[in-house]
Order: sequence, then structure tokens, then C-alpha cells
Amino acid sequence: DIVMTQSPDSLAVSLSERATINCKSSQSVLYSSDNKNYLAWFQQKAGQPPKLLIYWASTRESGVPDRFSGSGSGTDFTLTISSLQAEDVAVYYCQQYFDSPYTFGQGTKLEIK
Amino acid sequence: QVQMVQSGAEVKKPGASVKVSCKPSGYTFTGYYVHWVRQAPGQGLEWMGWIDPYSGEASYAQNFQSRVTMTRDTSISTVYMELSRLTSDDTAFYYCARNGVSGDYASVWGQGTLVTVSS
Repeated sequence: DIVMTQSPDSLAVSLSERATINCKSSQSVLYSSDNKNYLAWFQQKAGQPPKLLIYWASTRESGVPDRFSGSGSGTDFTLTISSLQAEDVAVYYCQQYFDSPYTFGQGTKLEIK
Repeated sequence: QVQMVQSGAEVKKPGASVKVSCKPSGYTFTGYYVHWVRQAPGQGLEWMGWIDPYSGEASYAQNFQSRVTMTRDTSISTVYMELSRLTSDDTAFYYCARNGVSGDYASVWGQGTLVTVSS
């Protein structure tokens, strides 16, 4: 199985500041035939189901604010929130869908400083 | 709009089975795979598998291979996830989620079904 490791486990950032969450996979999730990274990011607020933010490592889902961006390739990926808003308090997960089982990272809890 | 509506909470005894339903709306039922993901209280997300509502083919994570069955009923546009031989470790929220338009990412999630296993 591909192991997904996120860092840090928790993060406190001031409002309007940048938040950065990292995700590393134990093997590459870049598929050479289509040059796509099979990596998604999800946001889960307290008491709610997860919500898709980013897929193909950097494609923002429709309706997701542009302060959220994804980057990286191969085994190293980053989710960046350019200017933290109060409503961004949540747990964030990365997931690879390159190979079954489609494993998730352990989650990063984002709070306001 | 696309919605995934799941059945209500369940309480089961150890050793029993549970069957959770998920009824999509807002798109062609047979057009997209449906994933199942579970989350124990206060824990992370665990992918269980997916089902193709068109063919009925399913693929399961090895951790659940011997205990899970995913099925669909095309006449009522509903998918099901059945988990057998329950233990307290199976107490969790169970989510269904529709596949993405362009790939196997979980794009639209159901509200979750809490399954509690307790004697």
C-alpha cells in the first residue's frame, strides 16, 4: 500500500497569514502515460463530511475559493491557503488515487493563532 | 445539484452485520463509481472500496476484503455497503462519495451514517 504522511499534524496560523500543509507519498503518484499526479486534498470541518478541495494535485474544485492552491509532483505535495480565514479552521487530508487501496494521510488540524 | 443521501444511524451487537444505503441524485446513477470511506470517532479517513453502479463490479481494500460487500439496485438507484462480523473497532461514520468527473477522486460526499457496535 502507498503510505501518505502529512506534516505537520497540527498548525496554528494567524488570520490573513499563509498556511502550508505538506503531504508525502511512499511512492510516486505521477502516472507517466498522462503526466498527472493522482493526488487530492479534502477539508473536513467539525461535524461535517469531508469536502473535495483539489484534485490532480493542483486543480481546484468548482466553488472552492482561490486562496486554496495545490502544488507538487511525484511524491511531495503542498496545500497552501494564501490568506487564512476563520472559516478555514478544519482538518485537512491528502489522498492518493493512483493505486488501490486509495490511502489517506493522517490529517492536519488547522487552527487560528 | 448532486447529492448523496445515506440511511440513518445503526446500533448493532458484536458479530452482527450492518447494511448502509446511499441514494444519489442529480446525475445519471450508472455514470459514476461510488466510493465508501469510514472514519472512527476522532480518527482519520479510511478508504474501503468502490462499486461501479453500471456493471455492479466492486473493488475492496484488502483490510475489508473478507467482510465487506458493495452492491447496487438500479431499479431504485441506490448503492449499499454491507459489513459483516462487526466488532467494536467497526464503530465509525461510514460515508459514500461519488467519483469525480475526470478521475477516481471522491467528489461529492454523503452526510455519513454512524454505526455503533456495542453489546
